[in-house]
Amino acid sequence: GAGVSQSPRYKVTKRGQDVTLRCDPISSHATLYWYQQALGQGPEFLTYFNYEAQPDKSGLPSDRFSAERPEGSISTLTIQRTEQRDSAMYRCASSPSPAGDVEKLFFGSGTQLSVL
Amino acid sequence: GESVGLHLPTLSVQEGDNSIINCAYSNSASDYFIWYKQESGKGPQFIIDIRSNMDKRQGQRVTVLLNKTVKHLSLQIAATQPGDSAVYFCAENSGYSTLTFGKGTMLLVSP
Repeated sequence: GAGVSQSPRYKVTKRGQDVTLRCDPISSHATLYWYQQALGQGPEFLTYFNYEAQPDKSGLPSDRFSAERPEGSISTLTIQRTEQRDSAMYRCASSPSPAGDVEKLFFGSGTQLSVL
Repeated sequence: GESVGLHLPTLSVQEGDNSIINCAYSNSASDYFIWYKQESGKGPQFIIDIRSNMDKRQGQRVTVLLNKTVKHLSLQIAATQPGDSAVYFCAENSGYSTLTFGKGTMLLVSP
């Protein structure tokens, strides 16, 4: 597609529910990143993929968070048993650069998650 | 829409002025730096980058300066326009496959 697409744009859920966020990167991009952005803060790294491989997931806050990219294109971020502190903007970014080279990330508009 | 700006440093300028946004980075091993612009309701957008073997790089109306001695990065915007109003983030890469973002500065441009 023309840009990085994320869905849903907004997600409101109750504490304890599972949520899955979706990212559709720019079609030619091999690497895909997930970031969490709190209000008024810069994005914080969660994990990234090089095609379907997930070389680094060190930024995932807990084992309730997981991400997949099974066919090396669309990715999902799943949060199990959501907690209020999970409320944030979740941003996906993709890059045309090879894995390990973070030049010029292209960000999506994000999914705003609110856990009540 | 998304609202950013709580407790963010803010720079207010008049249209046509030059703007300078500063950033102190944390890791002396960082070798690549990027400035991003984030408008309300949108994701960060790449503006300009610089590698650690340079101390200055110019783009269209923007210049990035890097001072490795004091771990300082600045973004200069010439002839600032209302459309430049946004939150600006610096980001650094220290050789790993991630970018570390700073806290951001809000730029407000008055007509």
